[in-house]
Amino acid sequence: DSGVTQTPKHLITATGQRVTLRCSPRSGDLSVYWYQQSLDQGLQFLIQYYNGEERAKGNILERFSAQQFPDLHSELNLSSLELGDSALYFCASSLSGGNTIYFGEGSWLTVV
Amino acid sequence: GQQLNQSPQSMFIQEGEDVSMNCTSSSIFNTWLWYKQDPGEGPVLLIALYKAGELTSNGRLTAQFGITRKDSFLNISASIPSDVGIYFCAGHETGGGADGLTFGKGTHLIIQP
Repeated sequence: DSGVTQTPKHLITATGQRVTLRCSPRSGDLSVYWYQQSLDQGLQFLIQYYNGEERAKGNILERFSAQQFPDLHSELNLSSLELGDSALYFCASSLSGGNTIYFGEGSWLTVV
Repeated sequence: GQQLNQSPQSMFIQEGEDVSMNCTSSSIFNTWLWYKQDPGEGPVLLIALYKAGELTSNGRLTAQFGITRKDSFLNISASIPSDVGIYFCAGHETGGGADGLTFGKGTHLIIQP
């Protein structure tokens, strides 16, 4: 158990809909990261937050957004969903913007 | 962005065999991390390396941070069925943020009984 908690574990939704994925980082960790993993794809970095502020942005679509709240949990919002958005979405956390990050178990999103 | 070449892409081995995989980069990294991912699960950190030349073991796993700082390898000795999974290397550039943490595409390890 990495200490990073993600909900929901599985989600099935229709195209055009909007979903929110939630992440609680490890106790004491200030940085939260979101990654997307599709079939045959590696881990694609989406976005990082540090202590409530956006720190770095990767390959995140404009239809996606994220935020980190004062209690340090984070949410990833995915809107106008398309079939190609079906993937495993991981949250990870680290103490600071440090080099070692710990992953949650992921949220499986299936868009039908 | 930076590219990490991880090889081999997949390995089919017999139980009990030793395994070796590696990652190379085009730039200098200050951290190398090795993760294992089981199907439907999140990547789990196996070994973290922070210094060039560092050799670190975790049970049957051994990893090294290359002297050039552009490569790393992971060895697994006497493989067992639970070693099956996907192994990812990840490297962090000096001064980089999270987007400086680059992942390899993974090595699929398959063990034949």
